[in-house]
Amino acid sequence: DTEVTQTPKHLVMGMTNKKSLKCEQHMGHRAMYWYKQKAKKPPELMFVYSYEKLSINESVPSRFSPECPNSSLLNLHLHALQPEDSALYLCASSPLRWRESGETQYFGPGTRLLVL
Amino acid sequence: SQQGEEDPQALSIQEGENATMNCSYKTSINNLQWYRQNSGRGLVHLILIRSNEREKHSGRLRVTLDTSKKSSSLLITASRAADTASYFCATDIYNQGGKLIFGQGTELSVKP
Repeated sequence: DTEVTQTPKHLVMGMTNKKSLKCEQHMGHRAMYWYKQKAKKPPELMFVYSYEKLSINESVPSRFSPECPNSSLLNLHLHALQPEDSALYLCASSPLRWRESGETQYFGPGTRLLVL
Repeated sequence: SQQGEEDPQALSIQEGENATMNCSYKTSINNLQWYRQNSGRGLVHLILIRSNEREKHSGRLRVTLDTSKKSSSLLITASRAADTASYFCATDIYNQGGKLIFGQGTELSVKP
C-alpha cells in the first residue's frame, strides 16, 4: 500500500464549528506532515511529526491543533477558524531514514476546506 | 523567507515539444526535489537530486543541479497533454531536520 489517504475530501464549516481532518498511511513511514495550500501558491508547511512526536510547528495559530495517535494516523483538529483559513490541506509522509536529510514525501489528495 | 524561486511562472507548449523549468534557491541544501500537482490535487514526487549530484534522469525527465549557482532545472522531453500540471521544486535545507521548502511553481500547459 503506497497511498496516503485523507478524509474528508471537502469540508464546509462555520467559524464557531469544531471539525477534524484525518490522514492515514500504511507504508511504515515515521514522519508525517501537514501543509496548507492556497490557490496558485506552493504548499506551506504547518507541522511535522517524527516518531509520533511533534518536531516542527511553523508558528501555526492555536486554532489548528495536530495530533498523532499512532504511527499510521495524523489528525488536524480545527476550532474557531477564520475565512482566510479556507485552503487545501495536504497531508504527507516520508520514511525518515535520515534524521538530518529530507526524503521523498508522499502526499494525500488533500481536504478542501471552506470556512464561512 | 522564500527559498525557491521558479521560472517561468507559466509555460504553454505544443505536444511533442520539450519543456524546461528553472528553480533557484538561497541556502545550502541536502537535496532538491521536483513535484507535480494536477489541478487541486495532491503532489506527486517526480525526482530527487542530492547536493553531490549534477544530473539525474528518470524516463522523459532530466534534472540538473548547479550548487555553485544555487539553481536546478527540470526538462520534460516529448511532452504530452497529460503533462499539463503545476511543477514545484522543493529544497531540503541543510540542518533543518528534513523540512522541505517549496518554490512558487511553474504552471505547464501542453496543448494537443
